[in-house]
Amino acid sequence: EAQVTQNPRYLITVTGKKLTVTCSQNMNHEYMSWYRQDPGLGLRQIYYSMNVEVTDKGDVPEGYKVSRKEKRNFPLILESPSPNQTSLYFCASSLSGGRNTEAFFGQGTRLTVV
Amino acid sequence: GENVEQHPSTLSVQEGDSAVIKCTYSDSASNYFPWYKQELGKRPQLIIDIRSNVGEKKDQRIAVTLNKTAKHFSLHITETQPEDSAVYFCAAREDNDMRFGAGTRLTVKP
Repeated sequence: EAQVTQNPRYLITVTGKKLTVTCSQNMNHEYMSWYRQDPGLGLRQIYYSMNVEVTDKGDVPEGYKVSRKEKRNFPLILESPSPNQTSLYFCASSLSGGRNTEAFFGQGTRLTVV
Repeated sequence: GENVEQHPSTLSVQEGDSAVIKCTYSDSASNYFPWYKQELGKRPQLIIDIRSNVGEKKDQRIAVTLNKTAKHFSLHITETQPEDSAVYFCAAREDNDMRFGAGTRLTVKP
């Protein structure tokens, strides 16, 4: 089954403790991205990747890192989480960022930083 | 960069009525306009999209219209049903840059 898988689904952590949210897709998509969803603000792009070893900042990259060492995986790293990073996070992938193709979303990760 | 505004933020209709959600965008280079539906606790899923060379697209009870000159596009849902209740997001994409609207919470009352 074609899908985007995120882990974990829920995470509660403390300020400053490094964490990684994994994202994997099995559709051989070139383009992957991370969004955070906050009430009243919609989906805001954090980082995106056009292909392996190619990443770029989105609208709200501060406090986040990403890597794209393999085509299928695009982990989101919070080196030192802070309470303002409490949010619902979605990973998405699409065939190509340069073409107008559908974005497939993962099931979401609800992160709480205390 | 692109800026997408979506209205209204909440919309309540009676079952069987129509619902219209409107979005405007700022970047004239945007050429792809998808609409996503997000049910409570679930991921956003594409329900319909339109490309800049098309003015209107319809899929059963759902239709999208695009006015490139005015830089706005709309989602129309006819004969609404309770299962249409969800948050709907519009988006505008130009190459790598896809921006979403803030979302519209649609409630369909039985």
